[in-house]
Amino acid sequence: AQSVAQPEDQVNVAEGNPLTVKCTYSVSGNPYLFWYVQYPNRGLQFLLKYITGDNLVKGSYGFEAEFNKSQTSFHLKKPSALVSDSALYFCAVRDRGWGGATNKLIFGTGTLLAVQP
Amino acid sequence: DTEVTQTPKHLVMGMTNKKSLKCEQHMGHRAMYWYKQKAKKPPELMFVYSYEKLSINESVPSRFSPECPNSSLLNLHLHALQPEDSALYLCASSQGLAGETYEQYFGPGTRLTVT
Repeated sequence: AQSVAQPEDQVNVAEGNPLTVKCTYSVSGNPYLFWYVQYPNRGLQFLLKYITGDNLVKGSYGFEAEFNKSQTSFHLKKPSALVSDSALYFCAVRDRGWGGATNKLIFGTGTLLAVQP
Repeated sequence: DTEVTQTPKHLVMGMTNKKSLKCEQHMGHRAMYWYKQKAKKPPELMFVYSYEKLSINESVPSRFSPECPNSSLLNLHLHALQPEDSALYLCASSQGLAGETYEQYFGPGTRLTVT
């Protein structure tokens, strides 16, 4: 079975410091990985995805993620955190069932990022 | 334009009421999704439509009835709901389902309260 894990329920970081939100995956075959962000009382917003190619993926709002096959990780990073980055972050992997013909996403449990001024 | 719109934003309904949630996208996407999300939890997939046909029903109770009148619209009809159905209902769309890995674009959601 495929899954993603977000080991931290909450990450606290000071504004201006680098941030990392962790995600590890367990899939058979090549993983298709995503990061989404959810601001309070809003829907999810797509940040970035890894399908193949360069292990460092750049996304929206200055975020990037590093795919590490040996560690089965896809951590989200940003060099300098903003207070406005405070939100709930979800890592997801595309379900490879049905031959990948459903585009169904398997979400992690989410990590609440709190950036202090 | 990567916008998915949902109406209403908030809905309060009794357990005997019938109501509908609406979702619209004008990105030319051919796949649309309904999710249910409880507070601070990941979204749970309910239904997937591809080319206006139901592709996935994740064993959702029949009191939830989806409808896709055309490629831009997705409805969720609600009837005889239970208080535990109170949640944020999210609609999403993507270019397609198969062949490529398409990111999903989410609407802002409808906050449903069942009394």
